[in-house]
Amino acid sequence: AAGVIQSPRHLIKEKRETATLKCYPIPRHDTVYWYQQGPGQDPQFLISFYEKMQSDKGSIPDRFSAQQFSDYHSELNMSSLELGDSALYFCASSLTGGGSPLHFGNGTRLTVT
Amino acid sequence: DQQVKQNSPSLSVQEGRISILNCDYTNSMFDYFLWYKKYPAEGPTFLISISSIKDKNEDGRFTVFLNKSAKHLSLHIVPSQPGDSAVYFCAASDLANRDDKIIFGKGTRLHILP
Repeated sequence: AAGVIQSPRHLIKEKRETATLKCYPIPRHDTVYWYQQGPGQDPQFLISFYEKMQSDKGSIPDRFSAQQFSDYHSELNMSSLELGDSALYFCASSLTGGGSPLHFGNGTRLTVT
Repeated sequence: DQQVKQNSPSLSVQEGRISILNCDYTNSMFDYFLWYKKYPAEGPTFLISISSIKDKNEDGRFTVFLNKSAKHLSLHIVPSQPGDSAVYFCAASDLANRDDKIIFGKGTRLHILP
């Protein structure tokens, strides 16, 4: 069965650079979520989109932005990168309707040097 | 403030025995609870869930128990197998308020000993 696809798997950037992470949800899933997991931390909710509209916002820095496109894929754009942005970034998708679990991709590991 | 708490960072269990992972939550609005399993270099994988209208849900070797009055849930794995060694995340959401995002605990690393 098709899963959530994230690209790239690994990304190395320098401070103050920008990064773009991509997420392709499971077909027919209408909601996309972004999570950030720092070393030894639990995944922290960043932002979500339902039917291409932002539906919820968590602890996402102002330097980050995201959007969901007409084909339901989503991109997380990160600017002015800081060392503390080094983390695993997970995308998840679900079929909204109550009780549908989130399905996660394998994440993008971002390293900021 | 951590709304979902997993107070045991790690747990070691003999193969064949029962593994019990615990989770506490503070937000009384949570009405849907999930357990995710995570292997290194992979994303969390959904394992089992329970709605707040139930107190038990079973799926094969996995059973989740919910005690709403204590704001506590647990995941039982029996019998434990080597492939169960992973990090287990407890998670919760507030579906009644149409809040589908899930809040994770910090995870418990389960080691199944041969």
